[in-house]
Amino acid sequence: NAGVMQNPRHLVRRRGQEARLRCSPMKGHSHVYWYRQLPEEGLKFMVYLQKENIIDESGMPKERFSAEFPKEGPSILRIQQVVRGDSAAYFCASSLGTGMNQPQHFGDGTRLSIL
Amino acid sequence: GQQVMQIPQYQHVQEGEDFTTYCNSSTTLSNIQWYKQRPGGHPVFLIQLVKSGEVKKQKRLTFQFGEAKKNSSLHITATQTTDVGTYFCAGGGRDDKIIFGKGTRLHILP
Repeated sequence: NAGVMQNPRHLVRRRGQEARLRCSPMKGHSHVYWYRQLPEEGLKFMVYLQKENIIDESGMPKERFSAEFPKEGPSILRIQQVVRGDSAAYFCASSLGTGMNQPQHFGDGTRLSIL
Repeated sequence: GQQVMQIPQYQHVQEGEDFTTYCNSSTTLSNIQWYKQRPGGHPVFLIQLVKSGEVKKQKRLTFQFGEAKKNSSLHITATQTTDVGTYFCAGGGRDDKIIFGKGTRLHILP
């Protein structure tokens, strides 16, 4: 029973490049959340998606960041024209059922480093 | 807006001592969840509390939800080195949002 799968585990980009982070939720889960975590800090909510819909993107910067969860395939968090400040661990979580009050199951994260 | 505060931010305890972390919300919560993140790892769901005054136990861990559903605590009895990590609470509030606290980092001294 595979858990939440994130890839890549580590991603290195130069300033100005694009970063694409992928997340496949647990089997049967249709709710996906993305979080950002800086070293020694907490989890910052970015976006909550269901299949083909963005439910809440209040934590995601308006510029350069976008997320999608297509009908087929993984959820994608896309960061365009990356800057040094984008370096962080990005965690994806998925849950079963409606609303954000369901327990969330996290992936191993993608550690993004910007040179 | 809704906030979830966690204290302390850091805690060093001698192995075998007890440990408690507290979570406080500015508003009434529909439920509280607790997660543990080991160093270099990802958050792992521990438990969810829903009822006012609810108490749940998992071996040496005791979780409480306050009567007013605005605060919660996690108590670990006789800490072990395997308890090292960051403990996050996450409060469920209005708009079905979950708000994570900033976590309490637990260090165990041998």
